[in-house]
Amino acid sequence: QKEVEQNSGPLSVPEGAIASLNCTYSDRGSQSFFWYRQYSGKSPELIMSIYSNGDKEDGRFTAQLNKASQYVSLLIRDSQPSDSATYLCAVRTGNQFYFGTGTSLTVIP
Amino acid sequence: NAGVTQTPKFQVLKTGQSMTLQCAQDMNHNSMYWYRQDPGMGLRLIYYSASEGTTDKGEVPNGYNVSRLNKREFSLRLESAAPSQTSVYFCASSEGSAGQPQHFGDGTRLSIL
Repeated sequence: QKEVEQNSGPLSVPEGAIASLNCTYSDRGSQSFFWYRQYSGKSPELIMSIYSNGDKEDGRFTAQLNKASQYVSLLIRDSQPSDSATYLCAVRTGNQFYFGTGTSLTVIP
Repeated sequence: NAGVTQTPKFQVLKTGQSMTLQCAQDMNHNSMYWYRQDPGMGLRLIYYSASEGTTDKGEVPNGYNVSRLNKREFSLRLESAAPSQTSVYFCASSEGSAGQPQHFGDGTRLSIL
């Protein structure tokens, strides 16, 4: 079982819609959770971090954490074509840090 | 404001050749990392350095060596390149030693024939 699982997609949403990206993790002791955005051919960029259960909002982005279900999600409101990218979920467990394989998002104008 | 700088950006090697990938950061970060990214495999940690003078193995260290030359620089060496090492390599840094990379370099696209 992989430490971090993501649906590879592709996920397509129309411009202006809400994009919902999901991630599950295997270790119940994981403490910190992160979302990175990676444009095609570019390097990853850290966009969100969340450490406790509930929601954390930053502009159009909302990270949601449910430790009981071992589930992390990223919501992108009012999706724009510029949001088209691969979104990587990452989890820190102790001194180990694991990335998921990413979900490809396409926002259709 | 360069951030994390990697050289070279592209490289083609023959099997058995050696080379060193260079990485430097100008943010005075303590921790530095080397990752490889392969299709369907995600980012995998090769080595990391929590501070100057220390290095630790990550998930896929075999076939690689690293040197934390000073606080700014962290190099990755392939002693005898193999086709399985064809990948995109990213260097990253973070301020603390908590283990999550904050800033990535642009990557090195390495092909081994």
